[in-house]
Amino acid sequence: SYELTQPPSVSVSPGQTARITCSGDALPKQHAYWYQQKPGQAPVVVISKDSERPSGIPERFSGSSSGTTVTLTISGVQAEDEADYYCQSADRSGTYVVFGGGSKLTVL
Amino acid sequence: EVQLVESGGGLVQPGGSLRLSCTASGFTFNNYWMSWVRQAPGKGLEWVADIKQDGSVKYYVDSVKGRFTISRDNAKTLLYLQMNSLRAEDTAVFYCARSRRSSGWYYFDFWGQGTLVTVSS
Repeated sequence: SYELTQPPSVSVSPGQTARITCSGDALPKQHAYWYQQKPGQAPVVVISKDSERPSGIPERFSGSSSGTTVTLTISGVQAEDEADYYCQSADRSGTYVVFGGGSKLTVL
Repeated sequence: EVQLVESGGGLVQPGGSLRLSCTASGFTFNNYWMSWVRQAPGKGLEWVADIKQDGSVKYYVDSVKGRFTISRDNAKTLLYLQMNSLRAEDTAVFYCARSRRSSGWYYFDFWGQGTLVTVSS
């Protein structure tokens, strides 16, 4: 079955830049989405279609894509950004949905 | 305002059954694919199943095929998940989510708050 691979954890100090990667063979064909999930809450989309920022999401969140890897970048990290981040896409056929394993962002 | 409210979770013994419901409001329900996504305690998100607007197409993750059935009632704006032959590894918070699907992209734009299913003797 298709998988998306993320690092389990990322740590940065406030004001620094955090980068979270997500790798998958079908990413050149299927767009990726990034979700932020805080404890006890439902996930929220922070990046759509690899690099689009939905309305209401701070400008410090950005996304990029290169080949089989997509990257979520958070510039000028704030304490409130501490959360779990998940990439999500679909398999090559577009039929089955898959999430990455999630990356816990810790703000030191 | 889009709202998705899950219900039906609870404690069930291994091998038992449970039916989850999701009440949708604030949008034209029969215009959207709908999905169930689950999250085991302390673990990541896992897509479980989704269903086309008219109920004619359904997809499932391999681990629930033959045990879970997704369905919908467009007149009542309800989404269901019938879960049979439940296992301990099915223990999770189950989220109802509105799905957006097209060629080259698929995502979930609204989520409910989830309902907890615990499978234990």
